[in-house]
Amino acid sequence: ETGVTQSPTHLIKTRGQQVTLRCSSQSGHNTVSWYQQALGQGPQFIFQYYREEENGRGNFPPRFSGLQFPNYSSELNVNALELDDSALYLCASSSRGYDTQYFGPGTRLTVL
Amino acid sequence: GNSVTQMEGPVTLSEEAFLTINCTYTATGYPSLFWYVQYPGEGLQLLLKATKADDKGSNKGFEATYRKETTSFHLEKGSVQVSDSAVYFCALKSPTSQGGSEKLVFGKGTKLTVNP
Repeated sequence: ETGVTQSPTHLIKTRGQQVTLRCSSQSGHNTVSWYQQALGQGPQFIFQYYREEENGRGNFPPRFSGLQFPNYSSELNVNALELDDSALYLCASSSRGYDTQYFGPGTRLTVL
Repeated sequence: GNSVTQMEGPVTLSEEAFLTINCTYTATGYPSLFWYVQYPGEGLQLLLKATKADDKGSNKGFEATYRKETTSFHLEKGSVQVSDSAVYFCALKSPTSQGGSEKLVFGKGTKLTVNP
């Protein structure tokens, strides 16, 4: 059974640029959630995708957007990067109706 | 809205000491509760969970009991090891604003350092 994978591991961007982060869900999981973890803080929910549609969203602006593909993998896109977007971005996969979310190793984004 | 409050660290213990990390929650109903652990430079790993009142979750010597009377889910371990050094997060399952889906709401995390 393959776990949740994310790419890239690290990324450095400058303010105003755009970034795409990728996530492959665990085998058999059809739901992907994205979280932002600022340094020293707990993860904050960005949004969730199920059946290729956004299925729930946290308190993040529209410049945070996503996609889910037929194979359940997912992308997180952030436009017009700001310094405060520097964080660890975590992807979690789960099966709808089941409690547990399984996390990937994360992508560390630094915005200069 | 639903929220989690956990004991802020850092917590420093000697090997074989007893560990307690306090976690309380505010929620509508009886959400599932979780403890996740994050080792340096890594993502989150599920440590244990409990889905209803009085359930006890356990894994790798760690335990936590779902107490609805005190809205708590404290993490305990009888004898910690150096390898337990990590950040521990308490979390609950909460509905999203759109309904039909659920998100995790996390506490701020407690950093544990175990010295030999």
